[in-house]
Amino acid sequence: GESVGLHLPTLSVQEGDNSIINCAYSNSASDYFIWYKQESGKGPQFIIDIRSNMDKRQGQRVTVLLNKTVKHLSLQIAATQPGDSAVYFCAENHQPGGYQKVTFGTGTKLQVIP
Amino acid sequence: NAGVTQTPKFQVLKTGQSMTLQCAQDMNHEYMSWYRQDPGMGLRLIHYSVGAGITDQGEVPNGYNVSRSTTEDFPLRLLSAAPSQTSVYFCASSYYLLDTGELFFGEGSRLTVL
Repeated sequence: GESVGLHLPTLSVQEGDNSIINCAYSNSASDYFIWYKQESGKGPQFIIDIRSNMDKRQGQRVTVLLNKTVKHLSLQIAATQPGDSAVYFCAENHQPGGYQKVTFGTGTKLQVIP
Repeated sequence: NAGVTQTPKFQVLKTGQSMTLQCAQDMNHEYMSWYRQDPGMGLRLIHYSVGAGITDQGEVPNGYNVSRSTTEDFPLRLLSAAPSQTSVYFCASSYYLLDTGELFFGEGSRLTVL
């Protein structure tokens, strides 16, 4: 039978549309929440982060929303382009006593349809 | 800028063999870490270091050793490789007490244990 966890959730979006990628996190004590992009065969690349005392942060074409009540994080990509096709990971950065501990989610694959 | 450099990029081992994955960074980052990435499971923290001479365990440390003799280098040692250690390994670094969530990743080392 099929093993759990081998297949990433996939989001297919038409080029030019907006994309919304969601993530549920577990640690209420995390200091930062981060989104990373990973292209095939490469290491993860930082996109944007948000401090735990914020609700929204905007970057270039990207917006991250944080809902601490339901422990939910989302990444919005405006006017999605073919170059946005990748796996996107949310991550939590907990800094107990200054030490960093970054924990990653399982990822969402974004497919951009030309 | 070289950033984070990992070697080798690919390696095949037999069960029981030992090897070292090398990681070097030229950004004078205090914090360095090793992650493994398995299909559908995101990245899991193996070991991390907040400075020369200081290392600590992450989420999945069994079967791996690390040391940090210099700021630049953080090698990961597999003492007796097992098929369960087949994975893609990523080294990441950042400044200590980072006021953000950003980690800088290498390109990865793909390890197969037969």
